[in-house]
Amino acid sequence: NAGVMQNPRHLVRRRGQEARLRCSPMKGHSHVYWYRQLPEEGLKFMVYLQKENIIDESGMPKERFSAEFPKEGPSILRIQQVVRGDSAAYFCASSPETGGVEQFFGPGTRLTVL
Amino acid sequence: KNEVEQSPQNLTAQEGEFITINCSYSVGISALHWLQQHPGGGIVSLFMLSSGKKKHGRLIATINIQEKHSSLHITASHPRDSAVYICAVAGWYGGATNKLIFGTGTLLAVQP
Repeated sequence: NAGVMQNPRHLVRRRGQEARLRCSPMKGHSHVYWYRQLPEEGLKFMVYLQKENIIDESGMPKERFSAEFPKEGPSILRIQQVVRGDSAAYFCASSPETGGVEQFFGPGTRLTVL
Repeated sequence: KNEVEQSPQNLTAQEGEFITINCSYSVGISALHWLQQHPGGGIVSLFMLSSGKKKHGRLIATINIQEKHSSLHITASHPRDSAVYICAVAGWYGGATNKLIFGTGTLLAVQP
């Protein structure tokens, strides 16, 4: 049973470009959380999604950031017009059920904005 | 004040020593997680607790719900235990979400 997969593992973008980060949950999991780890800072919650629904986006920056989890395919975290302050490690975690406390983490995507 | 506080922030130990990392939280929770992260690496889930004590190999985690406190112990520490250990709580939001609130982590270095 493959674990949570994220790709790419490393992503380099220039200021103003778009970044798309993908997260494929574990088989049978329909809930995805995205977390961000800024350099020298702790992890922070961004968004919680179920298939085709955003349940909690209280941690998402108000502009440039969006997330989706379509019926088919991976969850996508999209950052438009990236700035240097977006450089961070982005982790997703999947859970098998609504409100499920157990979360399984992916390896992360490290975004560098030049 | 952070909702999840860890101590110490940094810890250096000699190989073989018994190590304790503490975590205190101020919110109602449905579960508490202990996570491990190597520099530049991914996150590994070590334990998920809602009560009592769990043991896995040389690692032991305890939680006291009344005191809102958890500890992670490492017995017979080894240099390969060197990593950042992160306490995270799944806040109780009525069951709709269990987003995690993280401590700032404890950087452990075990010297041979």
